[in-house]
Amino acid sequence: GQQLNQSPQSMFIQEGEDVSMNCTSSSIFNTWLWYKQEPGEGPVLLIALYKAGELTSNGRLTAQFGITRKDSFLNISASIPSDVGIYFCAGRRPGANSKLTFGKGITLSVRP
Amino acid sequence: GAGVSQTPSNKVTEKGKYVELRCDPISGHTALYWYRQSLGQGPEFLIYFQGTGAADDSGLPNDRFFAVRPEGSVSTLKIQRTERGDSAVYLCASSAQGAGTEAFFGQGTRLTVV
Repeated sequence: GQQLNQSPQSMFIQEGEDVSMNCTSSSIFNTWLWYKQEPGEGPVLLIALYKAGELTSNGRLTAQFGITRKDSFLNISASIPSDVGIYFCAGRRPGANSKLTFGKGITLSVRP
Repeated sequence: GAGVSQTPSNKVTEKGKYVELRCDPISGHTALYWYRQSLGQGPEFLIYFQGTGAADDSGLPNDRFFAVRPEGSVSTLKIQRTERGDSAVYLCASSAQGAGTEAFFGQGTRLTVV
């Protein structure tokens, strides 16, 4: 079963607002990834994090790898309507080959 | 094409039938993964190939599920005696070898067992 916790299940924000999502686990991960999925499509990688404490940006997106290696957050600044979608965190555990464990995802809605 | 291609996009089958789902990875990618995504859930790992061999098949739920990659490129996920609980989106992903090279996902095959 899945070991990454994402909540709430849905978030509703106004265009232009910032939003922050986090992902927690009871286990240590040595890689944290954030994906976005739109209807009928596969997940698309947004940001990859490989070191505890690492802070990485990709345009309006910023993500951090928690110091304890058991959490990560994603921040979206100045949201726009095309940010709508499902945001998944995923992690790779030590010794887990290349397989990823995903959270359940957060559905983001942006009101114009 | 440039991305991971999965066929068919949608498959409806009757309970008890056999199905095959196909994945064409990005050219040159040695690693290939199958994941299953049920409604309202994140993808769950099924199997990982490095070249032609299955490096990790720990996610296959039971022996009705099998996957092959005979020439190290195209992969086929095979499900025997399908059950209604097998209904899900089956996602394929591929990656190049090396640390820090993450996988690209296909659009998935939506399997519905009626």
